[in-house]
Amino acid sequence: QVQLQESGPGLVRPSETLSLICRVSGGSMTNFYWSWIRQPPGKGLEWIGYIYYKGTSNYNPSLESRVTMSVDTSENQFSLHLRSVTAADTAVYYCARRDYSAIFDHWGQGTLVSVSS
Amino acid sequence: QSALTQPASVSASPGQSITISCTGSTNDIGGFSSVSWFQLHPGKAPKLVIFDVSSRPSGVSYRFSGSKSGNTASLTISRLQPDDEADYYCASYSSNSVHVFGTGTKVSVL
Repeated sequence: QVQLQESGPGLVRPSETLSLICRVSGGSMTNFYWSWIRQPPGKGLEWIGYIYYKGTSNYNPSLESRVTMSVDTSENQFSLHLRSVTAADTAVYYCARRDYSAIFDHWGQGTLVSVSS
Repeated sequence: QSALTQPASVSASPGQSITISCTGSTNDIGGFSSVSWFQLHPGKAPKLVIFDVSSRPSGVSYRFSGSKSGNTASLTISRLQPDDEADYYCASYSSNSVHVFGTGTKVSVL
């Protein structure tokens, strides 16, 4: 059974970089698109982007200028870096596996990241 | 890319059926068969309950069903149970190679 687990700081200062890691267990990273999705408090889900296991990526145009994702298949993990954060980036951040058919079939439990001074 | 439109809340008694709508455009729901539905319980990993408009993942109850007409997708939960009380989100692939989610619907079991 594939499992995903997010980790990273729960508090980030404004203008700094939010960095999260998602560790994948119980399955291979090969042939999948590894995704990040977030949910601000009281709001809906927002797709941030994905990185293919080979390293190519696709980001939400609204965040593209501030987002970088990376993947390390040898460590079975992938990462999210969001630069120049503001309070509007406060959210629960989920990592998820997306297959070739664009289906998000496995998700992590999510981690709350607050942006505050 | 605008979020897909869902009703904010739906409620019904145990044993009844509910239907949640998800309205988009020809650029997303209307143009693709990649519509999914997710169940969110607080503190738990989101769960895929419907994919490709109407397919159910292994292990998901037959009480969950999906459909699509034009730019609107729908999720129906029949024989409502207390554990079905959760937030539900639709999602679709979009013409500019992005994914878009719905605004979310809170389902209450009275």
